[in-house]
Amino acid sequence: NAGVMQNPRHLVRRRGQEARLRCSPMKGHSHVYWYRQLPEEGLKFMVYLQKENIIDESGMPKERFSAEFPKEGPSILRIQQVVRGDSAAYFCASSPPFRTNEQYFGPGTRLTVT
Amino acid sequence: QKEVEQNSGPLSVPEGAIASLNCTYSDRGSQSFFWYRQYSGKSPELIMSIYSNGDKEDGRFTAQLNKASQYVSLLIRDSQPSDSATYLCAVTPSYNTDKLIFGTGTRLQVFP
Repeated sequence: NAGVMQNPRHLVRRRGQEARLRCSPMKGHSHVYWYRQLPEEGLKFMVYLQKENIIDESGMPKERFSAEFPKEGPSILRIQQVVRGDSAAYFCASSPPFRTNEQYFGPGTRLTVT
Repeated sequence: QKEVEQNSGPLSVPEGAIASLNCTYSDRGSQSFFWYRQYSGKSPELIMSIYSNGDKEDGRFTAQLNKASQYVSLLIRDSQPSDSATYLCAVTPSYNTDKLIFGTGTRLQVFP
């Protein structure tokens, strides 16, 4: 029973490059959430998606960040023109239908911007 | 005021003792509460959920909820060195039940 999968696990980008983070939810889960964890800070909600729909993006920065969850394939969090402050661990979580509060986390992608 | 507050610790307890971790929240309308365990460099792992006032037990873990006091706690009985981790309290806010608001976590150290 595979859990939430994320790749890559580690990503290094130079300032100004684009970062693409991928997430495949657990089998049977249709809801995907992205969180960011900065060093010494708590997890911060970014966006909540269902297939082909962004349900809540209230935690997403207004610029450079976007997310999608296409009909086929993984959810993608895209960060354009990365800056040093984007360096963080990005976690994806998924939940089953009708129990959106029970969120199970993937291993995370650790983004380092040099 | 932070939405979810936890003492950052570290909380140090000897092996075999009870570890008590506490969390307060500001949104009186919150209905769902969770405890996650996060080992250093790893992802959060859901260990307990609680929705009603009172106690909920699962193995060595007991979650306690007091909505009137806006307080939720986690007790770990017979603490083991392998329990050493950061414990994150998470709350579903009343204004948006699809997201979790996390505290910054309490670091627990269990020494032999």
